[in-house]
Amino acid sequence: AQTVTQSQPEMSVQEAETVTLSCTYDTSESNYYLFWYKQPPSRQMILVIRQEAYKQQNATENRFSVNFQKAAKSFSLKISDSQLGDTAMYFCAFMKQRTMEYGNKLVFGAGTILRVKS
Amino acid sequence: GAGVSQSPSNKVTEKGKDVELRCDPISGHTALYWYRQRLGQGLEFLIYFQGNSAPDKSGLPSDRFSAERTGESVSTLTIQRTQQEDSAVYLCASSPSTGLIEKLFFGSGTQLSVL
Repeated sequence: AQTVTQSQPEMSVQEAETVTLSCTYDTSESNYYLFWYKQPPSRQMILVIRQEAYKQQNATENRFSVNFQKAAKSFSLKISDSQLGDTAMYFCAFMKQRTMEYGNKLVFGAGTILRVKS
Repeated sequence: GAGVSQSPSNKVTEKGKDVELRCDPISGHTALYWYRQRLGQGLEFLIYFQGNSAPDKSGLPSDRFSAERTGESVSTLTIQRTQQEDSAVYLCASSPSTGLIEKLFFGSGTQLSVL
């Protein structure tokens, strides 16, 4: 079974600064995908960024980038130029390669609350 | 519809009562997932539907929990004889299931409070 661990229950950052959220995972799968989701108070789950394990290049999406260390099974999220709207719960999630039986089930970490301060 | 719709948004019930939660997936999405999110925790997988195949019920925590889906449309999650530990947000997600990796589209969830 896969597990995802987020060791930082809460983080704070000043507006315009950079913050890094940590995530480690455990799996015996060779093909898989990793995700960061954002959940604001509205409860809507918003996909922030994803990484295919077979890609060595770290994914980036505007102010969001990841540091993917496959051997260490580490997948951290860096948010640059933090904005007040980034305040939310952030979840790291794992998905193994899809099969019809398994689908695209996600295994989530416990989450990190990020507060951006003005 | 434009997105995944869940109802009710909030539900308060008394311990021992049965509740039904509804999920309306995006039209054309063959896959549907239910997750439970306890306060301050991550999402726990409950059940997965893929078209007309037998559902994957491996995440259901007890036989008080059941879910149905008619074809590729609406799904209902039923919790019988609710307990206080069932209090959580129940999230539904759907996806088109056309590729190796799919983006899951989540609803805004139902906040269930068992008194």
